[in-house]
Amino acid sequence: AQSVTQPDIHITVSEGASLELRCNYSYGATPYLFWYVQSPGQGLQLLLKYFSGDTLVQGIKGFEAEFKRSQSSFNLRKPSVHWSDAAEYFCAVGENAGNMLTFGGGTRLMVKP
Amino acid sequence: DTGVSQDPRHKITKRGQNVTFRCDPISEHNRLYWYRQTLGQGPEFLTYFQNEAQLEKSRLLSDRFSAERPKGSFSTLEIQRTEQGDSAMYLCASSSNSQGLGELFFGEGSRLTVL
Repeated sequence: AQSVTQPDIHITVSEGASLELRCNYSYGATPYLFWYVQSPGQGLQLLLKYFSGDTLVQGIKGFEAEFKRSQSSFNLRKPSVHWSDAAEYFCAVGENAGNMLTFGGGTRLMVKP
Repeated sequence: DTGVSQDPRHKITKRGQNVTFRCDPISEHNRLYWYRQTLGQGPEFLTYFQNEAQLEKSRLLSDRFSAERPKGSFSTLEIQRTEQGDSAMYLCASSSNSQGLGELFFGEGSRLTVL
């Protein structure tokens, strides 16, 4: 069965600093990979996704992620964090053509002024 | 607001009671999903529909859980004989074939507290 591990439960970064959130997955076939963000009082929002092709994918809000098959990883990055990026971030792997997502436990990002 | 709408937003019930949650998807979306999220965890897939057909229900947590989407529009998730372990946030999401795989639009959720 597929699984997703997000090793960091909490991360605190200073505003303007770079960010990398880690995600490792376990899946037998070529994975469909996603990053979602959940802000307080809001529904989960898709940041970016990877199905195939270029292993570096760009998303909304200045985020990008890199798929590394050899490391079974799909880490999320942003070069300069803004205070509004404080939220919880979830990595997910999709089966059944992406209709059934398995989420990691999430990483809560706090941004220091 | 044309996003995914869930009702009620918060439900407090006593153990053993039945509860029902409603989800209204984005109007042009033909796929509808239910997830459960417990405190400190990521969402957990429960079931999904394409139009009125329930295409996957093996992940529903027990036979106390059931979902319907009778006319291919709104959906309901019912939990019978609630238990304290059912306390969680129940999330609904929708998508359409044209948006690409896995691009789900989530509602804000219905929080269930079982006393």
